Amino acid sequence: AQSVAQPEDQVNVAEGNPLTVKCTYSVSGNPYLFWYVQYPNRGLQFLLKYITGDNLVKGSYGFEAEFNKSQTSFHLKKPSALVSDSALYFCAGAYSSASKIIFGSGTRLSIRP
Amino acid sequence: GAVVSQHPSWVICKSGTSVKIECRSLDFQATTMFWYRQFPKQSLMLMATSNEGSKATYEQGVEKDKFLINHASLTLSTLTVTSAHPEDSSFYICSARPRLAGGGETQYFGPGTRLLVL
Repeated sequence: AQSVAQPEDQVNVAEGNPLTVKCTYSVSGNPYLFWYVQYPNRGLQFLLKYITGDNLVKGSYGFEAEFNKSQTSFHLKKPSALVSDSALYFCAGAYSSASKIIFGSGTRLSIRP
Repeated sequence: GAVVSQHPSWVICKSGTSVKIECRSLDFQATTMFWYRQFPKQSLMLMATSNEGSKATYEQGVEKDKFLINHASLTLSTLTVTSAHPEDSSFYICSARPRLAGGGETQYFGPGTRLLVL
């Protein structure tokens, strides 16, 4: 079965430090992978996606993610965290452009000043 | 670009009444729209996939007679919660997949509708 896992419920980082939000996937074939961010009482905002090509994907707000096929991971990273990055982050995957997207359980990112 | 709106943003209703939620893609045509439900501190649960001009496909465990979905045009899908009960209280989020080639793998999400059934 297809699945996306986010092993951390919460990640706490000091402002200015690098951050990583982990994601692993179990999607057959060549996966389509996404990161979304959700602010309180809001819908999801698209951050970035991996379809094919360069394993390092750059997205909105200075975020990037690295696709690692051998480790089946797609961790979200940012070199220097901002307090405004505090939100709920979802990793998601699909096995084709037309298939439904499967979401991870979400990771709450908290950036302290 | 790629803006999806939902209306209403929140609604309170009495048990037994029906509630309609609209999802619109404002600046693109969407061949497919999705309806999700999100409980507090939980991930999104896909309820159904809606294709313009055809019947919606419901996920296992979702009652199609209770959650009526209509995808009347390439920019509008509606979710009607019929005979709502307190356990239907939740945050409902729609998303839309653009019709354009190359953009079909990305979904754009609406801001969500919070439903409270008393």
